[in-house]
Amino acid sequence: DGGITQSPKYLFRKEGQNVTLSCEQNLNHDAMYWYRQDPGQGLRLIYYSQIVNDFQKGDIAEGYSVSREKKESFPLTVTSAQKNPTAFYLCASSIDPGLSSYNEQFFGPGTRLTVL
Amino acid sequence: LAKTTQPISMDSYEGQEVNITCSHNNIATNDYITWYQQFPSQGPRFIIQGYKTKVTNEVASLFIPADRKSSTLSLPRVSLSDTAVYYCLVGVLHYKLSFGAGTTVTVRA
Repeated sequence: DGGITQSPKYLFRKEGQNVTLSCEQNLNHDAMYWYRQDPGQGLRLIYYSQIVNDFQKGDIAEGYSVSREKKESFPLTVTSAQKNPTAFYLCASSIDPGLSSYNEQFFGPGTRLTVL
Repeated sequence: LAKTTQPISMDSYEGQEVNITCSHNNIATNDYITWYQQFPSQGPRFIIQGYKTKVTNEVASLFIPADRKSSTLSLPRVSLSDTAVYYCLVGVLHYKLSFGAGTTVTVRA
C-alpha cells in the first residue's frame, strides 16, 4: 500500500532534549511538508521540501530543523530552542507543485509530542 | 495570500444536506479552491478542488459563483461519520496553502 508513515505515534520528552520525528513516504512524491497543530486550531507550516537536498522554512520554523537526504524521507527535529513544542505534528507529501495546480497533499497519521 | 473566512461550527442531523460557505474576497486569478476534511487525531484528507462553476465527486459538490469570491462545499445526506473539521483553502502553490481553524461540523442522530 502506498502512503505516508510517521513514527512514533506518541512521544514524550523532557525539557531541554532534542527529539526527531520520522516521516516516510512511498508515493514517489517530490514535495514533503511538516505541519504543527495545536488544540482547536488549524495547521501551521513548519518546513517544506520540493526536492531532495533542498528545503525551505515555513511560517513557524524557529526551534525546528529538517533534512531531505532521500526522496522518501523527511525527518523533523524539535530542538530545545522550541519554546512550546507540545503539539500534534503532521507530515504530508504531494507531487511536484511546479508540475500541477492540483492541491492534494497526502497526510500521515501524525505524532503527538508531549514535553514533560 | 488569499484569506478565507468560514463559519466556526455547524450542526446538522443525519440524512440532511450540509452546506459550508467560505469567503475569499481577494482570490487571485490563478488560485484554486480546495477543501479538506479532518477527523480528530488524524491528518486532513483531500475532499474536492475546483476553479469555477461546479465540481462534483463521490463525496461532495463544490459550487463556485462567477466572481469566485466565495465557494460552498455541499455534503449530501450526512451521517454521523461526517462529523469532522472542514478546511477551505485558496491558492495554487502547495506550500502556500493555509489551513485556518476550519469549520467543525457536528452531525447528530
